Amino acid sequence: TQLLEQSPQFLSIQEGENLTVYCNSSSVFSSLQWYRQEPGEGPVLLVTVVTGGEVKKLKRLTFQFGDARKDSSLHITAAQPGDTGLYLCAGARSGGYQKVTFGTGTKLQVIP
Amino acid sequence: NAGVTQTPKFRVLKTGQSMTLLCAQDMNHEYMYWYRQDPGMGLRLIHYSVGEGTTAKGEVPDGYNVSRLKKQNFLLGLESAAPSQTSVYFCASTKGFSEAFFGQGTRLTVV
Repeated sequence: TQLLEQSPQFLSIQEGENLTVYCNSSSVFSSLQWYRQEPGEGPVLLVTVVTGGEVKKLKRLTFQFGDARKDSSLHITAAQPGDTGLYLCAGARSGGYQKVTFGTGTKLQVIP
Repeated sequence: NAGVTQTPKFRVLKTGQSMTLLCAQDMNHEYMYWYRQDPGMGLRLIHYSVGEGTTAKGEVPDGYNVSRLKKQNFLLGLESAAPSQTSVYFCASTKGFSEAFFGQGTRLTVV
């Protein structure tokens, strides 16, 4: 099974800094989702991108789907302590949600 | 507004013991899934169900069994627990392919 590789694996930054998380694969996906998981909780969907080159913004978070639909990035501007958590990308191929492949995860800590 | 509820939240088993994890969803979703989450491995699909009475194997099904007797419930069973099954288990449900709703997880330790 092709895992989606995320980088960095861990990130600890000061409040107010900017950061980018990457999600890479050799496979083409029909769409890609980003989830955030807080300690002791399950992942919660942030966004779904479906078109190559698509950019979506969610307040201070900017998500981009690569032109070839093999990779994606998440950029956070002026990080806040509330952004702390595990960020997971998930790539979908046709055939139902059981075909979704989850990334290895990026653990973000934002220090006040 | 419960969404997806998993029980129990924590469990410690001895090697060879059996247990059942329960997942219940109140969103009338057809599709339900069981994943395990291990550090650096992402979420890996164990088994899934596309409707009441149907189940199928995912990526890592060995050592687990499932049942979906009622649409709202999806049970994951471990017949003879092994230390390699120490993990955090998540149940999820979807309405087709869209957003997955996850439970809070079950942290299982097998000693």
